[in-house]
Amino acid sequence: GNSVTQMEGPVTLSEEAFLTINCTYTATGYPSLFWYVQYPGEGLQLLLKATKADDKGSNKGFEATYRKETTSFHLEKGSVQVSDSAVYFCALSETSGSARQLTFGSGTQLTVLP
Amino acid sequence: DTEVTQTPKHLVMGMTNKKSLKCEQHMGHRAMYWYKQKAKKPPELMFVYSYEKLSINESVPSRFSPECPNSSLLNLHLHALQPEDSALYLCASSQERAGVVQYFGPGTRLLVL
Repeated sequence: GNSVTQMEGPVTLSEEAFLTINCTYTATGYPSLFWYVQYPGEGLQLLLKATKADDKGSNKGFEATYRKETTSFHLEKGSVQVSDSAVYFCALSETSGSARQLTFGSGTQLTVLP
Repeated sequence: DTEVTQTPKHLVMGMTNKKSLKCEQHMGHRAMYWYKQKAKKPPELMFVYSYEKLSINESVPSRFSPECPNSSLLNLHLHALQPEDSALYLCASSQERAGVVQYFGPGTRLLVL
């Protein structure tokens, strides 16, 4: 079956620090990969996505590259802000068949201090 | 427009009450989803509707009853819930094919007393 393993949190950084949140996956095929962000008291928002190997997703200064050889999709940001404090979920979705499930990682709580 | 709306935002109910959660999208998506999320955990899939028909039920207790009256609306009817059902209930929608983005609503925070 599919699975997503995500870096354990919580992660606490100072403003303008570099962020990496590790994500690796196991999948039977060639999944689409996503990072979702959940701000306190809100639903999940799509942060970025990649649909095939070597694709780089990017949004709001965040980036992640789909690495098939290492089955990874690590999230990075060069300079975090206080407003980036949230929970980040890595997820995958199969790209064939009738399955519509998202498989989520456990989530990583990020706190950015001023 | 990538908005999914959910009402109510908060709901408190007793174990003998009947209530409903509502979800709406106008993106023309033909797949809609209900998730349950407990604090500090990822969302857990409950139901998937495809073209207004229930396609996946992840062994959810019958006290949760989904309904998809049309392609834009998704309801979750609640009856005789237990305190452990207290959670954030998230609705999502997507195009009806594999591997696509699911767009989430803001959720309904449910407290069962």
